[in-house]
Amino acid sequence: KNEVEQSPQNLTAQEGEFITINCSYSVGISALHWLQQHPGGGIVSLFMLSSGKKKHGRLIATINIQEKHSSLHITASHPRDSAVYICAVATLQGAQKLVFGQGTRLTINP
Amino acid sequence: DAGITQSPRHKVTETGTPVTLRCHQTENHRYMYWYRQDPGHGLRLIHYSYGVKDTDKGEVSDGYSVSRSKTEDFLLTLESATSSQTSVYFCAISESWGPSAGELFFGEGSRLTVL
Repeated sequence: KNEVEQSPQNLTAQEGEFITINCSYSVGISALHWLQQHPGGGIVSLFMLSSGKKKHGRLIATINIQEKHSSLHITASHPRDSAVYICAVATLQGAQKLVFGQGTRLTINP
Repeated sequence: DAGITQSPRHKVTETGTPVTLRCHQTENHRYMYWYRQDPGHGLRLIHYSYGVKDTDKGEVSDGYSVSRSKTEDFLLTLESATSSQTSVYFCAISESWGPSAGELFFGEGSRLTVL
């Protein structure tokens, strides 16, 4: 079993819908990252969380340390949000390394 | 955008040849990482560096070596490339680690094909 599991693996929605992507992990962590990768490759950091909730524009990330779970929400989704969203955790055991989820491929249709 | 560049961006080489990928940053960040990304595996850490001349192995380090002689440059070397090393390689940097960690910044990726 992977230490970091994302769901769903693929998600297709219509423009304007509220999107939720989930990340569950099984190890102790010091921080959790949400990343975005558009077709063509570039990876962009969206959030780094160690507790609570962060918001940036239409994106909201939450984390529940006790439940070992994080969610990424997108409000008023737009076709330009189509990308792969990746969850990564900084584990307590592994010095200076991240464990990545497999990613969630999001497609927003106009 | 963070100042992080990878070179070359694309390379095709033959089995058995040496290959060096370069990651250059202008942010003066302490931590630098090399990852490979393959379908079905996500991003996997090859090697990382926590300072000049301070490096350590990641989960898929076999067949790879690294060097960091200056803060700004982190080199990944495939001494004798194999077809299993065909992948997209990403360099990343971060200023700090742990609960106080800041953002991760990624390079644009280097696509390596080993024939």
